[in-house]
Amino acid sequence: ETGVTQTPRHLVMGMTNKKSLKCEQHLGHNAMYWYKQSAKKPLELMFVYSLEERVENNSVPSRFSPECPNSSHLFLHLHTLQPEDSALYLCASSQFRRNTGELFFGEGSRLTVL
Amino acid sequence: GDSVTQMEGPVTLSEEAFLTINCTYTATGYPSLFWYVQYPGEGLQLLLKATKADDKGSNKGFEATYRKETTSFHLEKGSVQVSDSAVYFCALSEGTGNTGKLIFGQGTTLQVKP
Repeated sequence: ETGVTQTPRHLVMGMTNKKSLKCEQHLGHNAMYWYKQSAKKPLELMFVYSLEERVENNSVPSRFSPECPNSSHLFLHLHTLQPEDSALYLCASSQFRRNTGELFFGEGSRLTVL
Repeated sequence: GDSVTQMEGPVTLSEEAFLTINCTYTATGYPSLFWYVQYPGEGLQLLLKATKADDKGSNKGFEATYRKETTSFHLEKGSVQVSDSAVYFCALSEGTGNTGKLIFGQGTTLQVKP
């Protein structure tokens, strides 16, 4: 138990569906992240939120839409995805500006796009 | 930009064998270096870290030394166990920034056989 909880753990959706991934952290951190993990590729940072403001968006297609309503919750809204978007989506949190580099990860949401 | 390169896997060892997983990096500043581990079905968790040149990080029998002259941070363990089977990720934190952003390598799968 890392203190970061992601739901759902598994999601199968069609290309025209709209779904959302949810992440919740119970660590009192003030920064949250979305990473994409695809087979045989480095983890790709998608979004960074600090103090509920988006501080980084790594050229992610607009079919991925993040939302951070407060420092404990992070969402990734999914719309008209492509099969190549199938991957494990990992949420992480940290204490921003402490620069310890330690991220606390959730177990991930395995997404399959048909 | 900054990058991390890890040795290709999978690495297959017998129990009690010596482990080395190579990691080299490219960075313009003075990054901190990390090893994260991902056990099957779980998210990533920090294994060890080093924040400056010649520092040695260690945890659970694993060690890695920050070598600035060779830009390396190789992971070693003297005697692996079946329970060490996992994917290992080398990572660096970008320069002197405080974003908590980590650059990951592609991961190396370790399989330990009894």
